[in-house]
Amino acid sequence: DAGVIQSPRHEVTEMGQEVTLRCKPISGHNSLFWYRQTMMRGLELLIYFNNNVPIDDSGMPEDRFSAKMPNASFSTLKIQPSEPRDSAVYFCASNKGLAPYEQYFGPGTRLTVT
Amino acid sequence: AQSVSQHNHHVILSEAASLELGCNYSYGGTVNLFWYVQYPGQHLQLLLKYFSGDPLVKGIKGFEAEFIKSKFSFNLRKPSVQWSDTAEYFCAVKNNYGQNFVFGPGTRLSVLP
Repeated sequence: DAGVIQSPRHEVTEMGQEVTLRCKPISGHNSLFWYRQTMMRGLELLIYFNNNVPIDDSGMPEDRFSAKMPNASFSTLKIQPSEPRDSAVYFCASNKGLAPYEQYFGPGTRLTVT
Repeated sequence: AQSVSQHNHHVILSEAASLELGCNYSYGGTVNLFWYVQYPGQHLQLLLKYFSGDPLVKGIKGFEAEFIKSKFSFNLRKPSVQWSDTAEYFCAVKNNYGQNFVFGPGTRLSVLP
């Protein structure tokens, strides 16, 4: 299995631009999680989906952030407009669902907003 | 709500020293417990997990953790650390009913050669 796939691995953009991060979960996993990691705030859960449905988006920092999961094999996290304080590493993770399975993390997308 | 605390923000050890990283959680029900490791510049990887049964869990790379239900703790141990263990370590908790994993703030381990 290829594991959780994220793209791009690195993104540098200017303030005000739209940024779209992409994630492909492991095949057969029906839960998907988006995290943000910074030195100051550590690892933060932004949103998670179960069977393509957003379950908890209370961690999404503000309306500039949105996430979708149109099907079981693809999710996007969009920031519009981006700001320098959005600079972080964004991780996607997936797992098999309600059973006590561990999460598998993707390699992350390092976002720099200048 | 569940929460996870990790006692140490940064631990510095010399090679061959013994390691114990603390993890405490707050949740009264049945929990699943995990330790993840994040090597510099990499993503989180599972070290070990506890679901049920023997409270002493052995993981990869010589790590082990002990679940003490009465103390709501799941401390990570390794008898002799190596320079390659330099990484950040995250404790995580998931209850049996929900989907959400709650991660602790992480402990950075630096092992000096």
